[in-house]
Formats: sequence, structure tokens, C-alpha cells
Amino acid sequence: EVQLLESGGTLVQPGGSLRLSCVASGFPFGAYAMAWVRQAPGKGLEWVSGVSGSVIGTYYADSVQGRFTISRDISENTLYLQMSSLRAEDTAVYYCARWGGSGTYLDYWGQGTLVTVSS
Amino acid sequence: DIQMTQSPSSLSASVGDRITITCRASQSVNRHLNWYQQKPGKAPSLLIYAASSLHGGVPSRFSGYGSATEFTLTITSLQPEDFTTYYCQQTHTTPHTFGQGTKLEIK
Repeated sequence: EVQLLESGGTLVQPGGSLRLSCVASGFPFGAYAMAWVRQAPGKGLEWVSGVSGSVIGTYYADSVQGRFTISRDISENTLYLQMSSLRAEDTAVYYCARWGGSGTYLDYWGQGTLVTVSS
Repeated sequence: DIQMTQSPSSLSASVGDRITITCRASQSVNRHLNWYQQKPGKAPSLLIYAASSLHGGVPSRFSGYGSATEFTLTITSLQPEDFTTYYCQQTHTTPHTFGQGTKLEIK
């Protein structure tokens, strides 16, 4: 069974940093691209970042480019999102998702972890 | 970035009705268009991929159609569990942008 379990969300001050983790199980982690998607309270979905299975390609939304870094540790079956220079508008539930179908859709999602940026 | 626009933003219907949600892209995404359903407090779940392919386990009352810049999600014979929010997403070009969502409510 495919499972994705996010962690690391918490309250952080504006300008601060945070690292989110997503532990994957039930599939060959290194063979799949992965993505982070966020949802601000009461708002829609926003695609944040993605990384190819080979880790050759990393991709970012304009809103986080230069502040967020996606990475993965295949030996630990873990996806990361390093977030810095956090802003109030980064407050959201962050979901990790598996990029299935040779990178054409998000077929499995974690339950999400809440990041709150506030003083 | 490719902008995705869904219409309507909200929709009222009754159990048993047939509804259609439209998603328009600011430029062609070929058939790289997916639909997701999200229930309150839960992660989204994949319904339709590649514009018209039904994801495993999704009831056949859901269907997708379209290509290039215009796409539709149709739900026939609405069931009580279908009244929730739906999103389209293009995966033609990163960033893989979502539509703003369509909330389906019981009339």
C-alpha cells in the first residue's frame, strides 16, 4: 500500500526557516517523481515544487523560487522541502504527493502538515 | 505560467442531477489535464488524468473531455458524496498550476 507521511509543520516567525519531511512507503521511491502542493486556509490548491525521479530536475512555483529547496534521500525514502525567508502568505497545509503516470498526474497524497507563519 | 480558470466557482445541484464543470487554460496544454476531488479536511484525490482517463476505483459517473485549452468534468446521476470541491490541474509545463476550484453544493 502506498503511504506518504508528512511532518515538520509548526508555528514559525516571519523570516524564519523550516524543513518539512515526507516519508514514503509501499513503492520504489527512487523511481517516481515527487511534488509538494500547498493549501492556504480556506483557499485552493497551489503547486509548490517538484523533483524528478532521477533528481536531475527540480521545479518551483514563482512564489517560492529562491526561498524553497526540494530534495530527496532515496536511501531513507524521504522527500524534503527546505523553506527559508518565510512569509505570512506561506501559511498553509503542505501536502506531498507522488507524481505518477510518468510525471503526468499526482496519484497519491499525504495527509498534509500545517505551517503557520506568524509573529 | 499557464493560468487555469474553472467555471463556475460554485454550483448548486440535486441528487440525481447531471453537472458539468469547465476548465480553461491560458495556452494549450494538449491533453495534460487532470481533475481532483477534495473533501473537507482531506487531501485531494485523483479522479481523471490525461483529460479523459478514469483513475482506478473512480465511479463511472465521472467523465472528462477536452484538449488544448478547454476541458470539462461531467458527473452524471449525482450522489450525496459528490457534493464537495473539484480542481483541474495542468501538467504540460511546470509549474503545474491548478484551477481555483469549483464547490458543488446541494440545492
